[in-house]
Amino acid sequence: DAKTTQPTSMDCAEGRAANLPCNHSTISGNEYVYWYRQIHSQGPQYIIHGLKNNETNEMASLIITEDRKSSTLILPHATLRDTAVYYCIVRVEAGANNLFFGTGTRLTVIP
Amino acid sequence: NAGVMQNPRHLVRRRGQEARLRCSPMKGHSHVYWYRQLPEEGLKFMVYLQKENIIDESGMPKERFSAEFPKEGPSILRIQQVVRGDSAAYFCASSPRTGGANYGYTFGSGTRLTVV
Repeated sequence: DAKTTQPTSMDCAEGRAANLPCNHSTISGNEYVYWYRQIHSQGPQYIIHGLKNNETNEMASLIITEDRKSSTLILPHATLRDTAVYYCIVRVEAGANNLFFGTGTRLTVIP
Repeated sequence: NAGVMQNPRHLVRRRGQEARLRCSPMKGHSHVYWYRQLPEEGLKFMVYLQKENIIDESGMPKERFSAEFPKEGPSILRIQQVVRGDSAAYFCASSPRTGGANYGYTFGSGTRLTVV
C-alpha cells in the first residue's frame, strides 16, 4: 500500500471548519483513500473513504485532487469532541488484509 | 447491535506470566484483525483471522504470540512469558468480509496491557 504524509499537528477554533491535508503521491489507480480518527484512549473510528470522486457523509467531507496525489478531510464545524489523531490511509480494494496507520495528525479544537 | 467487544479493558501482568486478550466481533462479522499500539505510536497490524483460520500473521512476533478464532466464541490473542516491551494497547477490528474496499473496519475499545 502507498504511504501517506500528514502534518504532525493542527489547531482549529471551535465552530470553524477543520481542513486536514494528506499527501499520497505514490497512490495506485486501484487504491482508496481512507480516513480514521482516534480519540484519546479509544479505538480508531472510521470516518470516510473515497477513490477519486469527492465524498460526503454525516461526519465529514473528503476532497481528492484530480491527480489523486493528495486529499483533504474537512470537518465542517469542528467541536471540542473532534479533538483526536486523524489518520489518512491508502488501501487497495482487494487483497490487502490490513490498514497501515502512520503517525497521523493530532487535531486540537480550541474553545 | 453491539460493536466489537474487547475484554478486559485493562490487564496487568508480571513479567513471565501469560496474557489472554479476547475479542468478540460485531454480529455478522466473520473476519477479525488484531493491531498493537505502543505508547506514542500508530497502530501496527499483527494478524488477520477468519473462523478457525489464520489468514495473515505477517505482523505477529515470531515467538510468544499466538492468535485463534474458534468456530464458537471470541478471538483470543495470547502472549506467553510477557516482557515489559509487550506493554501496549491491543485493538481488535472486525469486518463482514475481506477485500472490497467499500466499507470500513469497526474497531473495539482495546485492551491496555501493562507488564510490571
